[in-house]
Amino acid sequence: ETGVTQSPTHLIKTRGQQVTLRCSSQSGHNTVSWYQQALGQGPQFIFQYYREEENGRGNFPPRFSGLQFPNYSSELNVNALELDDSALYLCASSVPGRNTEAFFGQGTRLTVV
Amino acid sequence: ILNVEQSPQSLHVQEGDSTNFTCSFPSSNFYALHWYRWETAKSPEALFVMTLNGDEKKKGRISATLNTKEGYSYLYIKGSQPEDSATYLCAFISSGGSNYKLTFGKGTLLTVNP
Repeated sequence: ETGVTQSPTHLIKTRGQQVTLRCSSQSGHNTVSWYQQALGQGPQFIFQYYREEENGRGNFPPRFSGLQFPNYSSELNVNALELDDSALYLCASSVPGRNTEAFFGQGTRLTVV
Repeated sequence: ILNVEQSPQSLHVQEGDSTNFTCSFPSSNFYALHWYRWETAKSPEALFVMTLNGDEKKKGRISATLNTKEGYSYLYIKGSQPEDSATYLCAFISSGGSNYKLTFGKGTLLTVNP
């Protein structure tokens, strides 16, 4: 067990709807990153939050947004869902540092119909 | 655009076989290379974090090497067991950014047959 929990585990949404995914990070970790894994691909970096501020963003449109709270838990929000948003969404918590690993949750499987 | 490639894409071995996979990554702006093991229905779990050229790390029957000058890392599993069946992901961190984002390969799916 990594200590990182994500909710919900599975979700089905209709195209055009909005979704919020949640992640609670491992105790003491002030950095949370979100990744999208589409079928047949490796996880792709969406964005990272460090101490409640966005600290880098991947190649995702603005309808992907996030928040990090004072307890370092985090949310990923996706507006105007598209069919291609169907994927596994992973969050990972860590502390900054060259020799530190990321601790992943089990992911949220989002299906957009 | 950073490109991280893993080979082979999938591998079937018999219990007791030794095996290895390759991860290739950009040789410039190297910061760190991670290996993760991901079993079905579980979270990816870190195996190794490698930062220095020539690093060799070992955890039980699994070991990894790193060559930052030529941009590759090998993961070795000695005497594979069915419980080693998983997807093995490598991820590269570039020194060129202000954050610690992981750029992943597509993974190698290992199946160990009893």
